[in-house]
Amino acid sequence: GENVEQHPSTLSVQEGDSAVIKCTYSDSASNYFPWYKQELGKRPQLIIDIRSNVGEKKDQRIAVTLNKTAKHFSLHITETQPEDSAVYFCAAPLPDFNKFYFGSGTKLNVKP
Amino acid sequence: EAQVTQNPRYLITVTGKKLTVTCSQNMNHEYMSWYRQDPGLGLRQIYYSMNVEVTDKGDVPEGYKVSRKEKRNFPLILESPSPNQTSLYFCASSLNGVDEQYFGPGTRLTVT
Repeated sequence: GENVEQHPSTLSVQEGDSAVIKCTYSDSASNYFPWYKQELGKRPQLIIDIRSNVGEKKDQRIAVTLNKTAKHFSLHITETQPEDSAVYFCAAPLPDFNKFYFGSGTKLNVKP
Repeated sequence: EAQVTQNPRYLITVTGKKLTVTCSQNMNHEYMSWYRQDPGLGLRQIYYSMNVEVTDKGDVPEGYKVSRKEKRNFPLILESPSPNQTSLYFCASSLNGVDEQYFGPGTRLTVT
């Protein structure tokens, strides 16, 4: 099966700084890489995703980069705000088996 | 309103007493899945279903059962709950397996 590793497990930044969270995966068959945000006491929600035919995708202050050769993808948040404080999960589903593998999560704390 | 619903939201039960957590979606999604969330372990997939009468094991299926008799419903059954099944459970659905997943509000289960 797939093995998804996510780092760091916690990240504390000052408001306005950038935050980067990295995930690595093991199975080269994975071709879809989503990122989910989970606020305290809430359900996970998709914030951005990327498919293997592109190397980078941006949506306002959020971007995801993918390196298929090295099997890693990263979430970049620029100009962080207190409302970005949450737990972020990466995922790498295996398309042939439709199994979904999530990373262990990164707790981001943005200090005002 | 497009949504995934789960019931109950909170449940405290005793070891060995069979229980069912219901999940329903109104988006006509083919793919549905159950996850458990434990501190430091992220989201782990229990079972998933690609369509009616089609179910398969995720990463941690032991001690759980599911059924998919209708497209909109995907109940999770614990035939004989044990304390190590104390967790936060999420149901999710998506158009297909490799697409945005919409999560339910979660069910916090405590088994004593």
